[in-house]
Amino acid sequence: EVQLLESGGGLVRPGGSLRLSCTVSGLVFQRYAMSWVRQVPGKELEWVSVISSSGGTTYYGDAVTGRFSISRDNSRNTVYLQMNSLRADDTAVYYCAKVHYWYDNSGYSPPDYWGQGTLVTVSP
Amino acid sequence: QSALTQPASVSGSPGQSITISCTGTNSDIGVYNFVSWYQQHPGKAPKLIIYDVRKRPADVSNRFSASKSGNTASLTISGLQAEDEAHYYCSSYTSRSTLIFGGGTKVTVL
Repeated sequence: EVQLLESGGGLVRPGGSLRLSCTVSGLVFQRYAMSWVRQVPGKELEWVSVISSSGGTTYYGDAVTGRFSISRDNSRNTVYLQMNSLRADDTAVYYCAKVHYWYDNSGYSPPDYWGQGTLVTVSP
Repeated sequence: QSALTQPASVSGSPGQSITISCTGTNSDIGVYNFVSWYQQHPGKAPKLIIYDVRKRPADVSNRFSASKSGNTASLTISGLQAEDEAHYYCSSYTSRSTLIFGGGTKVTVL
């Protein structure tokens, strides 16, 4: 059974930093690209970032470019999201999700498996 | 980049069929078949119900079907059941190498 477990969420002041972690089990982690998606409670899903299986390719949504950084440690089956210069509108549940499949130079499919999410609250 | 356009709500009686539309542009849905649909119940993570425009994961009921025409993808739920009451989101890969989601549709079973 594929499982994704996020951690690291919490309360942070505006301008602060936070690092989210997502540990994956039930699959060969190093074979799959991973993504982060966020959702303000009661609102729509918003794609945040993706990282290729090797970690060599990353992409970001416009709202987080330059502030957030995605990385992974294939020896620990873990993907990370480093969030800097946090703002009130970054407040959301952050989901870790496995990319369904990735084609080099051709794109990638939206996620198939999702974690249960971790809440990040940015407030004074 | 603006979200894909979905109706805010759709409703139907048990046993009926409903269809949810998802309109994008010729930079996403119009040019890629990396279109997925998700079901999300309150307080839960999204669940994949359709991928590659029209394919169903093995554990998803065949009451869910989907298609695409031009810049618009569609999800149809046949034989509507009480358990289908949830939010539904579409998603597509884009020409900017990003993903985009729809604004979500709340399905109500009357």
